[in-house]
Amino acid sequence: SAVISQKPSRDICQRGTSLTIQCQVDSQVTMMFWYRQQPGQSLTLIATANQGSEATYESGFVIDKFPISRPNLTFSTLTVSNMSPEDSSIYLCSVEGAGKNIQYFGAGTRLSVL
Amino acid sequence: GENVEQHPSTLSVQEGDSAVIKCTYSDSASNYFPWYKQELGKRPQLIIDIRSNVGEKKDQRIAVTLNKTAKHFSLHITETQPEDSAVYFCAASRAAGNKLTFGGGTRVLVKP
Repeated sequence: SAVISQKPSRDICQRGTSLTIQCQVDSQVTMMFWYRQQPGQSLTLIATANQGSEATYESGFVIDKFPISRPNLTFSTLTVSNMSPEDSSIYLCSVEGAGKNIQYFGAGTRLSVL
Repeated sequence: GENVEQHPSTLSVQEGDSAVIKCTYSDSASNYFPWYKQELGKRPQLIIDIRSNVGEKKDQRIAVTLNKTAKHFSLHITETQPEDSAVYFCAASRAAGNKLTFGGGTRVLVKP
């Protein structure tokens, strides 16, 4: 399986600030995704991080709020901008495990906004 | 877009009994259906998956069935053990490795 390192593991932030979450994979992968999991809820896809082009956002998520970078096939960042308490969630990156057509998840970033 | 419904939302079973979780999906183009287990504070872990060209798949105590005509699929856990206690999510995708749409989750509690 792919080894995924996600940083930070948790953070407490003040409203109005921004946080950038990093996702590093130990092998080149084509597909990388960012999900949000609100407390006690299911996972919701925020966007697909495309290497070399703009991310593809799902309905209800916009680039100004959740800018994403994908500079290469092993790394991606998600920024949560101008945070409010409603952004308090777990943010997870996932990747398609090289050639196995299976999605693996990072450990997640637990974000609390005060 | 795809919509995945999952039932029940909570399930309490006695150790040794079976547990069944059911999901329905809306997109007839979906053809990949994974199941993830998430323990408290941990990442979701894939436990079994099924593709649309297969009706049933089994892995030890876990099995998944798929009815493409009815657009529903189910997870069966036999001989449940306390370590099976977790939240289980079903998901659907148009292709393995592609973006997933998740069901709402089922919290399973196995009582010793």
